[in-house]
Amino acid sequence: AQSVTQLDSHVSVSEGTPVLLRCNYSSSYSPSLFWYVQHPNKGLQLLLKYTSAATLVKGINGFEAEFKKSETSFHLTKPSAHMSDAAEYFCVVSGTSGNTGKLIFGQGTTLQVKP
Amino acid sequence: DVKVTQSSRYLVKRTGEKVFLECVQDMDHENMFWYRQDPGLGLRLIYFSYDVKMKEKGDIPEGYSVSREKKERFSLILESASTNQTSMYLCASSSPGLSTEAFFGQGTRLTVV
Repeated sequence: AQSVTQLDSHVSVSEGTPVLLRCNYSSSYSPSLFWYVQHPNKGLQLLLKYTSAATLVKGINGFEAEFKKSETSFHLTKPSAHMSDAAEYFCVVSGTSGNTGKLIFGQGTTLQVKP
Repeated sequence: DVKVTQSSRYLVKRTGEKVFLECVQDMDHENMFWYRQDPGLGLRLIYFSYDVKMKEKGDIPEGYSVSREKKERFSLILESASTNQTSMYLCASSSPGLSTEAFFGQGTRLTVV
């Protein structure tokens, strides 16, 4: 069975400093992994996804994530935080039921960006 | 612009009522999902459907049922609402496959009193 664990429920950074949101996954096969973002009172939006091509994946708004099979990790990073990055972030693995991409969510990490 | 539309943003219902949450997508997607979002728990899958009239239970189906009579519409039904079903409900749709992006609706915040 597939699962994800987000290692921090809350991360606080200052504007202009790097962001690191940590995610470990468990999968019995080569997984598809995603990061979604949810801004307050907004729907979920895809930031980026890994599908066994390049291990370093670039997403929208300057975010990127690195797939590390040996560490079963898929951490999300950004070199310089912006106030608009404050949101909740979800690490997601694609589970299977036949050919259905059933998404399994982590518990979420709330990112706070201080001025 | 792709769209998943949930019929209500906010709902208040009484304990024991039968509640219908409606979701419509305009992307001709085969897959549709209902999730429940609670603080600290992330999103948990209630039910999903991979074709018209086809459905499968997710991780927390108890107290819920679903209906998919048309490809674009997926309904979540609370047969007899209880206070522990107070939550944010999110609908999503996607194309078949393991690496396809899911598109989400804005969510329905349901309060059962």
